[in-house]
Amino acid sequence: EIVMTQSPATLSVSPGESATLSCRAGQSVSSNLAWYQQKPGQAPRLLIYGTSTRATGIPARFTGSGSGTEFTLTISSLQSEDFAVYYCQHYNNWPPMLTFGGGTTVEIK
Amino acid sequence: QITLKESGPTLVKPTQTLTLTCTFSGFSLSTNEVSVGWIRQPPGKAPEWLALIYWNDDKRYSPSLKSRLTITKDTSKNQVVLTLTNMDPVDTATYYCTHIMTIFGVVMGLDNWGQGILVTVSS
Repeated sequence: EIVMTQSPATLSVSPGESATLSCRAGQSVSSNLAWYQQKPGQAPRLLIYGTSTRATGIPARFTGSGSGTEFTLTISSLQSEDFAVYYCQHYNNWPPMLTFGGGTTVEIK
Repeated sequence: QITLKESGPTLVKPTQTLTLTCTFSGFSLSTNEVSVGWIRQPPGKAPEWLALIYWNDDKRYSPSLKSRLTITKDTSKNQVVLTLTNMDPVDTATYYCTHIMTIFGVVMGLDNWGQGILVTVSS
């Protein structure tokens, strides 16, 4: 099983600043890496898929990058609505397995 | 517009079988490259994938829960049903149904989610 490890667990950021979230895979993985945002009481929302492609309606301040075992979500100029929990997720074709990271909470500094 | 909604019991007893139904609209599970999955999320924890079913009835299960899970589809009713046997208090979680974006059968992302249903396992 491929383990996805996110860091840091919590990130304190002031509005208007940038945030960089990390997701590390236990072994080299394909580019089937996605990022989600979750706010309290809501379902997760897809932000990024295929490592770097923004989902429909996602603002350009969300950028995904990476390859191999290291992936990053960068949020530039944080807005009030961006404070939330973020999860990375990978799908392995064979053996089939969909894995989420443990999450990073982005909180207001 | 794609919508999904989960339905089923919100309280089950230990050892019972959980049956959840996902009723969706805005797409058809008989269309190529369409798939639906189930995810659960215990309170305060990360999401956990359970199962997915493809348009061609191909199915995939989480290895750790495979022996307890069954996923089926009823294309005529636009529904996907998940059963989880031998429920335990550790199975307490919000269960989500999701539309899955796939390209050539490869899962790219879960792009539409239901509101979720909180299932509590307690005697």
